[in-house]
Amino acid sequence: NAGVTQTPKFRILKIGQSMTLQCTQDMNHNYMYWYRQDPGMGLKLIYYSVGAGITDKGEVPNGYNVSRSTTEDFPLRLELAAPSQTSVYFCASSYVGSSNEQFFGPGTRLTVL
Amino acid sequence: DAKTTQPPSMDCAEGRAANLPCNHSTISGNEYVYWYRQIHSQGPQYIIHGLKNNETNEMASLIITEDRKSSTLILPHATLRDTAVYYCIVRANSGGSNYKLTFGKGTLLTVNP
Repeated sequence: NAGVTQTPKFRILKIGQSMTLQCTQDMNHNYMYWYRQDPGMGLKLIYYSVGAGITDKGEVPNGYNVSRSTTEDFPLRLELAAPSQTSVYFCASSYVGSSNEQFFGPGTRLTVL
Repeated sequence: DAKTTQPPSMDCAEGRAANLPCNHSTISGNEYVYWYRQIHSQGPQYIIHGLKNNETNEMASLIITEDRKSSTLILPHATLRDTAVYYCIVRANSGGSNYKLTFGKGTLLTVNP
């Protein structure tokens, strides 16, 4: 199993540009999540999904959109990039079961200039 | 979810036990204590979790006080690869809040040779 994969690893955007961060998991997990991590801080939840077709906002959803058309994929869309969105973005997935452990991807480092 | 308090940093000698404390005095009866760690620039990694009994797995041991207001993560024989930020997180393990991991700043554990 590859686990949780994210692309791209790095990206530089100009203010006002748009992009999609890709996230795929091959563990058949029903829950998926997007977090952002600013320098020196803990992770903050942006959006999450409890299954295909169902998404909901986390702590910091402004400026982002998500969709979940399949169990495996959970892309995060930035429509009008702003410097405040410079961060490292982590995707995670979990299966509601005994430990509810979340598995994290390697992250996407995004810089908005 | 209950809030947690951790020391910002700790040092440990290689080969010795690392004991990482966490206070969670407002923990509710249905909330579990989870520990994750984040090695530099990587996604967080699940370590262990528990409700009220002490737990042990191949990575670590978790000691929860009888009143459940604090806990200690023990890495029995720390290695240089255990240098990371360790997060103590309290959350319910069922129902609508299942999804949520609230990360604080954690404890930076530095294992010295």
